[in-house]
Amino acid sequence: EAGVAQSPRYKIIEKRQSVAFWCNPISGHATLYWYQQILGQGPKLLIQFQNNGVVDDSQLPKDRFSAERLKGVDSTLKIQPAKLEDSAVYLCASSSRAGGLGTDTQYFGPGTRLTVL
Amino acid sequence: KNQVEQSPQSLIILEGKNCTLQCNYTVSPFSNLRWYKQDTGRGPVSLTIMTFSENTKSNGRYTATLDADTKQSSLHITASQLSDSASYICVVRHSGTGKLIFGQGTTLQVKP
Repeated sequence: EAGVAQSPRYKIIEKRQSVAFWCNPISGHATLYWYQQILGQGPKLLIQFQNNGVVDDSQLPKDRFSAERLKGVDSTLKIQPAKLEDSAVYLCASSSRAGGLGTDTQYFGPGTRLTVL
Repeated sequence: KNQVEQSPQSLIILEGKNCTLQCNYTVSPFSNLRWYKQDTGRGPVSLTIMTFSENTKSNGRYTATLDADTKQSSLHITASQLSDSASYICVVRHSGTGKLIFGQGTTLQVKP
């Protein structure tokens, strides 16, 4: 079974520039998550999709971050304009379903390391 | 406030030795607790999951314990190997909201 795919793996941009990250979840997984992981910290949930609908985006800085999952499969996370504090690893994860017994495993992609100069 | 605290922040041990990582949480109501292993440059991978009624779960050389009364968990690694060098993240699911609360992780370095 193929894992969660993310691209690019690394990105370096200057502040105020725009950047986009792509994620393709495990086939058949209805739920997709985007996390931000700052060095030395645990991941922080940015947004959760159930199919193509948003379940939770309470921690997404909506003035600069946006995400979409138009066909309920792959997803794109965009930052416009980027700030220095956005330097982090952006992880995408997927699970077969949200909620349920709460024991569904989230499978993570390798992440995209963003450096904002 | 729902929080997950891990200790130590970092740890260095010699190959073949055992070690124990700690996780304390204040998440309530509690649904389950997972330990993830995150290799450098990779995404986290689930090691174990425990619900309220479970107090021990093993996965090879990894053994997790849970004391739901004191809200503490530990991850014990036996006969460490160089490949155990990674960050270990404790994650607790809030039963009411279903949200995951992540600890900051413990970075383990195993030296030959």
